[in-house]
Amino acid sequence: QLQLQESGPGLVKPSETLSLTCSVSGGSISSDTYFWGWVRQPPGKGLEYIATIRYSGRNYYNPSLRSRVTMSLDTSKNHFSLRLSSVTAADTAVYYCATEGRYASGGFEADIWGQGTMVTVSS
Amino acid sequence: QSALTQPPSASGSPGQSVTISCTITSSDIGAHNYVSWFQQHPGKAPKLMIYDVTERPSGVPDRFSGSKSGNTASLTVSGLQTEDEADYYCSSYEPSSAVLFGGGTKLTVL
Repeated sequence: QLQLQESGPGLVKPSETLSLTCSVSGGSISSDTYFWGWVRQPPGKGLEYIATIRYSGRNYYNPSLRSRVTMSLDTSKNHFSLRLSSVTAADTAVYYCATEGRYASGGFEADIWGQGTMVTVSS
Repeated sequence: QSALTQPPSASGSPGQSVTISCTITSSDIGAHNYVSWFQQHPGKAPKLMIYDVTERPSGVPDRFSGSKSGNTASLTVSGLQTEDEADYYCSSYEPSSAVLFGGGTKLTVL
């Protein structure tokens, strides 16, 4: 059974780059079956899609975040990463990694999620 | 600018049915054929409840059903149970906007 676990700093200074990693167990990120993605949720607010990446190289991004987002896969460590540059307080949120596997279709059918990690942007 | 609009709240008594709407504002309504619904309990990660408008993932009770008519997708929960109390989010994909989420609906079981 595929499992995901986020890791990274809980506190990032304004204007710096937020970096998170999602470790994958129970499956390989090299499989083209899966899409690997990130979603965030500011405190007390709704979900916001960030980006999705596929091993074959097909990537999708939230247009409003596209210029600041970098996603990558590390097959040697079986994890994928998110980098969000030039952060502000508005980027404070719980960040979730997620994957679409069994039900991947034409939308966002993420059926496996990490537990989420809180990232606060503050000096 | 495309958007998904949900009512902020919904409620029902145990055993009753409740329907949550998701209104799609888009210049390309026809592209929104991949609507998903997620359930989120406080402090927990979202859970996929419906995908492709009407399909239920394995393990999701058949009390949960999805539909779409015109520019409105809906999630219906039949036979409400106390554990159904949660936030529900619709999601859709449009090539120009990638993935969109609705603002979420808080379902209260009275």
